[in-house]
Amino acid sequence: AQTVTQSQPEMSVQEAETVTLSCTYDTSENNYYLFWYKQPPSRQMILVIRQEAYKQQNATENRFSVNFQKAAKSFSLKISDSQLGDTAMYFCAFILQGGSEKLVFGKGTKLTVNP
Amino acid sequence: GAVVSQHPSWVICKSGTSVKIECRSLDFQATTMFWYRQFPKQSLMLMATSNEGSKATYEQGVEKDKFLINHASLTLSTLTVTSAHPEDSSFYICSPRGGTQETQYFGPGTRLLVL
Repeated sequence: AQTVTQSQPEMSVQEAETVTLSCTYDTSENNYYLFWYKQPPSRQMILVIRQEAYKQQNATENRFSVNFQKAAKSFSLKISDSQLGDTAMYFCAFILQGGSEKLVFGKGTKLTVNP
Repeated sequence: GAVVSQHPSWVICKSGTSVKIECRSLDFQATTMFWYRQFPKQSLMLMATSNEGSKATYEQGVEKDKFLINHASLTLSTLTVTSAHPEDSSFYICSPRGGTQETQYFGPGTRLLVL
């Protein structure tokens, strides 16, 4: 079974600084997708970034980028120029390729951006 | 991202009553619907998976007679909590997926409080 581990229950960062959230996963499969979701206080789950395992290039979305290390099964999220609106729970998630698989979530990291 | 609506956003009910939660995918056809439950400060817990026109598949420990799921169309799924009790108080989130796509989007969630 696939597992996702987020080892940092809570983190904080000063506004405008950079922060990195860690995520590791375990699978014996080769084709899969990885995601970071953000859940602000409203509790709406928002897709932040997605990475296909077959792509070597790290995904980026504006201030958000990932460091995808397939061999190490690591998928960290870097948030640059942190903003107060980035305060949220961040969930790392994994899914096998195929369309009929279930999304596997980590336990989440609570990020607080301080003014 | 995809547009997903959930109704109601908030519901308070008396113990013993039934509550129906609707989830609609507004801009794509949801061949599969996932229903999650989330307790405070925890990750999402998958309750059940349903494919359009088929019976739902429930995760271990989830009572299928208590949590009735209907996925009669490609744009609408409902979760009915029957004979609700205070321990059913939680945050319920739907997540539709279309075809073979791996990316999941989420509804805004429904807060259920059973008195």
